Amino acid sequence: GQNIDQPTEMTATEGAIVQINCTYQTSGFNGLFWYQQHAGEAPTFLSYNVLDGLEEKGRFSSFLSRSKGYSYLLLKELQMKDSASYLCAAFTGGGNKLTFGTGTQLKVEL
Amino acid sequence: ETGVTQTPRHLVMGMTNKKSLKCEQHLGHNAMYWYKQSAKKPLELMFVYNFKEQTENNSVPSRFSPECPNSSHLFLHLHTLQPEDSALYLCASSQEGGAGVSYNEQFFGPGTRLTVL
Repeated sequence: GQNIDQPTEMTATEGAIVQINCTYQTSGFNGLFWYQQHAGEAPTFLSYNVLDGLEEKGRFSSFLSRSKGYSYLLLKELQMKDSASYLCAAFTGGGNKLTFGTGTQLKVEL
Repeated sequence: ETGVTQTPRHLVMGMTNKKSLKCEQHLGHNAMYWYKQSAKKPLELMFVYNFKEQTENNSVPSRFSPECPNSSHLFLHLHTLQPEDSALYLCASSQEGGAGVSYNEQFFGPGTRLTVL
């Protein structure tokens, strides 16, 4: 079966750096997405990794290790508006099927 | 309208009612999806449509009936639902395949918050 694990909640301080980890055990892995979802809103795309390594995009970076079934999302210079749920999702099997983790609720405090 | 829109945003219905959720994408995509999001649970894929053809039914009960009349519109028809079906129902779309498509980011609508009494 498909299994994606990420922490349920994290708390960090404004201006700090936080790393959200995601481990996956899936069949037919084709890449990994990170989405951000504010309460009551649609998930919005943050990053996509298909090859091993780090992808940097402004304050957000995402890392993938296919051999370890592991990814992380790194958020730098945290702002209050970064308080949201961060969803890890793997492309699995054939075609365009996404399998999501439960999401990590990040709370940024002063 | 831009992106992916969903109506209604909120819906309350009884177990004997019949209602429909509507999704429209204005992105020219060729694939559309229905997801269910319950509290403390992962987003669950329900249905996938590629080029208006259903390519995935993720063991969804028959009280949920999807319809995709064209590549821009997707409906979810609901009948005789149960209280445990109360959740946020999200629609998404993506562009599958084709030259220059490096990955298939899914764009989500704001969802319909469904409450079944």
